[in-house]
Amino acid sequence: GQQLNQSPQSMFIQEGEDVSMNCTSSSIFNTWLWYKQDPGEGPVLLIALYKAGELTSNGRLTAQFGITRKDSFLNISASIPSDVGIYFCAGPTRDLMTTDSWGKLQFGAGTQVVVTP
Amino acid sequence: DAGITQSPRHKVTETGTPVTLRCHQTENHRYMYWYRQDPGHGLRLIHYSYGVKDTDKGEVSDGYSVSRSKTEDFLLTLESATSSQTSVYFCAITQTGGPNTEAFFGQGTRLTVV
Repeated sequence: GQQLNQSPQSMFIQEGEDVSMNCTSSSIFNTWLWYKQDPGEGPVLLIALYKAGELTSNGRLTAQFGITRKDSFLNISASIPSDVGIYFCAGPTRDLMTTDSWGKLQFGAGTQVVVTP
Repeated sequence: DAGITQSPRHKVTETGTPVTLRCHQTENHRYMYWYRQDPGHGLRLIHYSYGVKDTDKGEVSDGYSVSRSKTEDFLLTLESATSSQTSVYFCAITQTGGPNTEAFFGQGTRLTVV
């Protein structure tokens, strides 16, 4: 099946630094989603991207939908301690065998971010 | 916050016993999903539902069954729990199955099979 390759696996950064992570796929996606998961909680949607080339910001977060539709990037500027957590990219797969196929999300393995003071 | 409640939040059970996890939503969303989360694997889809009594398998469905008798409830059952099913389970909902789908997640159920 389709796979999302997310990198890096983990990042140890100092407060105030910028963070960059990316997600690539061998297949085309029509939507890219970025989630954050705090320890002991479920993932929460940060940013949704719907068009190739789209650049969207949410506070200190900026995400881009790659032109090829096979990749996406998430940047966090001026990191703070509460940015710690796991960040996931996700996209809806398309199962040609069913009509209700777009609701199934394929997730990357996640990027663990640790912020030190 | 989306109205999604998972129960129980934590459970320890013995190998070979049946276990049922519950997901309850107050959003009246049509689509509901069960995922499991394991280190290094991200979230993997177990089963999903696209309406009352309409369900389908995900990528890791072996050993699991689901039921949806009401819009608001989606149950995940492990018929005979195994140690490989020790994991954190998340329920998610989406309003539509269309391409611009955004999913909202519950807080998770940590299941340990001993």
